[in-house]
Amino acid sequence: NAGVTQTPKFQVLKTGQSMTLQCAQDMNHEYMSWYRQDPGMGLRLIHYSVGAGITDQGEVPNGYNVSRSTTEDFPLRLLSAAPSQTSVYFCASSRQGRAEAFFGQGTRLTVV
Amino acid sequence: AQSVTQLDSHVSVSEGTPVLLRCNYSSSYSPSLFWYVQHPNKGLQLLLKYTSAATLVKGINGFEAEFKKSETSFHLTKPSAHMSDAAEYFCVVRGSGAGTALIFGKGTTLSVSS
Repeated sequence: NAGVTQTPKFQVLKTGQSMTLQCAQDMNHEYMSWYRQDPGMGLRLIHYSVGAGITDQGEVPNGYNVSRSTTEDFPLRLLSAAPSQTSVYFCASSRQGRAEAFFGQGTRLTVV
Repeated sequence: AQSVTQLDSHVSVSEGTPVLLRCNYSSSYSPSLFWYVQHPNKGLQLLLKYTSAATLVKGINGFEAEFKKSETSFHLTKPSAHMSDAAEYFCVVRGSGAGTALIFGKGTTLSVSS
């Protein structure tokens, strides 16, 4: 049972490059989300989706784009990478309502 | 709007002594509350959850937390710390409405000395 799978695990980008972080879940969860983790800041919500075709912004959406064409996949796109986007990114999925979230193993992104 | 405040950014204990990690929350609705643990360079693992059933919640590895509505608190405790408990702990709140996000506290780093 794979759970939530994120790829890649590590990535180095140059300023201005674009890339897509992949996230897939096999639990048929409606709700998926992306967080970034920075020291002393906890995890901050970037974007989330309550189902295929429906996305919304979280606390720190600038510079990121998402789409949800299937229940399983929720990719995060960095449009033009900046050093401020150096962070660890986590994808999570859950059922709707009061359910807990299941997290991927994270992507450590460095923008130079 | 929901928020969560972890009252200590760093807690140090000796092995075998009790652990207390403090968390206060704010929520307009009856919330769900969670504690997650993150070991160095690892992902997040659910320790325990409160979703409006019993107010004393037992989790994995001997941890438990008590939901106190009057104090808006959800403190995490463990009677006896083990070296393997050294990690970062996050208190998380989620509202009851559809599509509500999980809101994280800033985390508490637990150090355990021998």
